[in-house]
Amino acid sequence: QQQVKQSPQSLIVQKGGISIINCAYENTAFDYFPWYQQFPGKGPALLIAIRPDVSEKKEGRFTISFNKSAKQFSLHIMDSQPGDSATYFCAASMFPGNTDKLIFGTGTRLQVFP
Amino acid sequence: SAVISQKPSRDICQRGTSLTIQCQVDSQVTMMFWYRQQPGQSLTLIATANQGSEATYESGFVIDKFPISRPNLTFSTLTVSNMSPEDSSIYLCSVIPRGAAYEQYFGPGTRLTVT
Repeated sequence: QQQVKQSPQSLIVQKGGISIINCAYENTAFDYFPWYQQFPGKGPALLIAIRPDVSEKKEGRFTISFNKSAKQFSLHIMDSQPGDSATYFCAASMFPGNTDKLIFGTGTRLQVFP
Repeated sequence: SAVISQKPSRDICQRGTSLTIQCQVDSQVTMMFWYRQQPGQSLTLIATANQGSEATYESGFVIDKFPISRPNLTFSTLTVSNMSPEDSSIYLCSVIPRGAAYEQYFGPGTRLTVT
């Protein structure tokens, strides 16, 4: 019930294309869903996040779509660029009170080719 | 956000020794955490560092192996004790800055190799 399942494990996209990464969860107590971007040798960087009261959030080329009934959320990267090549992690947490700890998905390695 | 630094950035240690990793933040934070990321893997929470009291450890992690201190609102240490090659990982601290509701930010990590 504490798991966050992420797919695909790896993704190859051509420059200008759309990258889509999916995550699913079981625990309906989760109420915060961030996405992190990690480059080799660096710590994860918070990219974008959503709470269940909205179905979509967009920041620049990055969009989170959230389906509360299906307990799924996804990251869409529009106009993917070679500089987007990184590992992406979805996560979920419960806040406030219980714990702020993040449960991470298994990660998706994105490669964007020119 | 917050600027988070970790020391050392990397180290190679011998089996049986201990290493203390420092995490320093440039502003006060409400929460500090320590994560482990094994090569090519996802992140696993080790413990929540509590100011002025014992850390809260996740299942599978114990204080004798990973003692943690957090003397104030901007600093924490994680010690990896009696190391074995299985402890080779990246160790990351993360924080929730004061005033941030949910956002958790990560430091650059400490890459530990145990030989």
